[in-house]
Amino acid sequence: QKEVEQDPGPLSVPEGAIVSLNCTYSNSAFQYFMWYRQYSRKGPELLMYTYSSGNKEDGRFTAQVDKSSKYISLFIRDSQPSDSATYLCAMIMRTSYDKVIFGPGTSLSVIP
Amino acid sequence: SQTIHQWPATLVQPVGSPLSLECTVEGTSNPNLYWYRQAAGRGLQLLFYSVGIGQISSEVPQNLSASRPQDRQFILSSKKLLLSDSGFYLCAWTPDRARAGANVLTFGAGSRLTVL
Repeated sequence: QKEVEQDPGPLSVPEGAIVSLNCTYSNSAFQYFMWYRQYSRKGPELLMYTYSSGNKEDGRFTAQVDKSSKYISLFIRDSQPSDSATYLCAMIMRTSYDKVIFGPGTSLSVIP
Repeated sequence: SQTIHQWPATLVQPVGSPLSLECTVEGTSNPNLYWYRQAAGRGLQLLFYSVGIGQISSEVPQNLSASRPQDRQFILSSKKLLLSDSGFYLCAWTPDRARAGANVLTFGAGSRLTVL
């Protein structure tokens, strides 16, 4: 079983739709959770960062963490064509360094 | 503010040729530095990380090596490239653990390597 699982998509939605992206993980040692957005042929950029169960909101984006179920989600409200990208979930385990494990990413297209 | 530079952006190399990708971070000191590889349709695979000058750890056995000759410089190398080395290589950094935001990875723009 992979440490972090994520549906690769592709996911295609109309502009204005609510998008739900999800990841599951198997290792309860993960302490911090992040979502990165990666545009084609670019490096990933941090979207959301959280370390506790519950919801965290930032504009149109909401990150949700459920540690008991080992499940994290990213919701995008009022999706825009500029949201078209690959979304990577990432989790951190603090060892001798901050070991970051990434999901494979979900490719999202928002159609005008 | 901190910035990360990575070059070259694109590289096409024949099998058996050497490789050198370079990464530098500005605006901070003693960063933790990372090299990731991203194959098409796959997630990010950590190749190397470094917590200080001359301190390199490898996550996976491979044809590549890394060096950190200066505090804010990280180099990915190969003596002889294989076809399987093709991919998108990303350099990243995190602040020293004592600093705020210490575990947030910031990535460079990436280097796309095609081995023919």
